[in-house]
Amino acid sequence: QKEVEQNSGPLSVPEGAIASLNCTYSDRVSQSFFWYRQYSGKSPELIMSIYSNGDKEDGRFTAQLNKASQYVSLLIRDSQPSDSATYLCAVNPNDYKLSFGAGTTVTVRA
Amino acid sequence: GAVVSQHPSRVICKSGTSVKIECRSLDFQATTMFWYRQFPKQSLMLMATSNEGSKATYEQGVEKDKFLINHASLTLSTLTVTSAHPEDSSFYICSARGAGATYNEQFFGPGTRLTVL
Repeated sequence: QKEVEQNSGPLSVPEGAIASLNCTYSDRVSQSFFWYRQYSGKSPELIMSIYSNGDKEDGRFTAQLNKASQYVSLLIRDSQPSDSATYLCAVNPNDYKLSFGAGTTVTVRA
Repeated sequence: GAVVSQHPSRVICKSGTSVKIECRSLDFQATTMFWYRQFPKQSLMLMATSNEGSKATYEQGVEKDKFLINHASLTLSTLTVTSAHPEDSSFYICSARGAGATYNEQFFGPGTRLTVL
């Protein structure tokens, strides 16, 4: 089983809709969870971090964490064409390393 | 804040030559830096972890004699690809973890695209 698994894409949503991205992780002791956005040909950019169970909102982004279910998600509200990118879920299971999922590619249709 | 730079952004070299890539944290001290490689349409692959003033820790399958890492200061780490070959062509990305970071978030540099002819 992979350490971090993301729902397979690509995910296509119409402009203005909600894009929902899911991620599960295997290591129960993980404490820190991150979502990175990566545009084609560019490096990842940290867009959300979450450490406690529940929801965390930042602008149009909402991260949700459920440690009991080992599940973290990202919602993008009012999706814009500029949100079209690959979204990487990252989990910090131990020491300083991050374990990354394979990524979910999102395409927002104008 | 939390800006990481890389240089060069793109490099083309002949097979057999060595290439050095620099990674700098511009507005914070980075006790730990990470080097990743990413092939087209694939996810990030961690190559090594470097801590300031000590030897880098390489991931399984990564040749330490081929990918030389130096983390000489709290703001600079370098990756040298020695005797590069076409199969080393890839997107190399560094990231940095700040001193005192509570949750181990990493901030990425813009990446270096290496093409070996």
